[in-house]
Amino acid sequence: GENVEQHPSTLSVQEGDSAVIKCTYSDSASNYFPWYKQELGKRPQLIIDIRSNVGEKKDQRIAVTLNKTAKHFSLHITETQPEDSAVYFCAVPNFGNEKLTFGTGTRLTIIP
Amino acid sequence: DSGVTQTPKHLITATGQRVTLRCSPRSGDLSVYWYQQSLDQGLQFLIQYYNGEERAKGNILERFSAQQFPDLHSELNLSSLELGDSALYFCASSVDGVAGIGETQYFGPGTRLLVL
Repeated sequence: GENVEQHPSTLSVQEGDSAVIKCTYSDSASNYFPWYKQELGKRPQLIIDIRSNVGEKKDQRIAVTLNKTAKHFSLHITETQPEDSAVYFCAVPNFGNEKLTFGTGTRLTIIP
Repeated sequence: DSGVTQTPKHLITATGQRVTLRCSPRSGDLSVYWYQQSLDQGLQFLIQYYNGEERAKGNILERFSAQQFPDLHSELNLSSLELGDSALYFCASSVDGVAGIGETQYFGPGTRLLVL
């Protein structure tokens, strides 16, 4: 099965600074890489995703980069704001079906 | 709002009991996935149904079972409950769940189960 490692497990940044979270995966056939944001007690919410035919995707302050050779992808949040405080999960679907294997999560805290 | 609904929101029950969690996928989605989120285990895939048929199984206990009905809603049945079954249970849905194309999964609000 797919192995997904996510780092760091916690991250604190000053408001306005950037945050970067990295995930590595094991299955070189994986071709879709979503990032989910989860606020306390709420559902995981898709914030951005990338497919293996591109190396980077941006959506306003959020970007995801993919390095297929090294089998890792990263979430970049710029100009962080207090509402960015949450737990962020990367996920990789199993190539044999679509079940998601999630990373262990990163608790991001934005310090005002 | 993702369009995926789950009931109930909260459930408190005793050890040894049986409960049923219900999920309605987004309109048009054929696949339903169930995930368990506990403090020490993170988000774990349990089972996937596609158009009424079981498609993939994860680390689902034998005491747990699920089904998807003709109207595509799904139910997760948890029996002989233990303290360790206390967790958030999420369902998610996607359009097809076809292997290899990477479909977005949309999550419901979850059911918080507390076993006392």
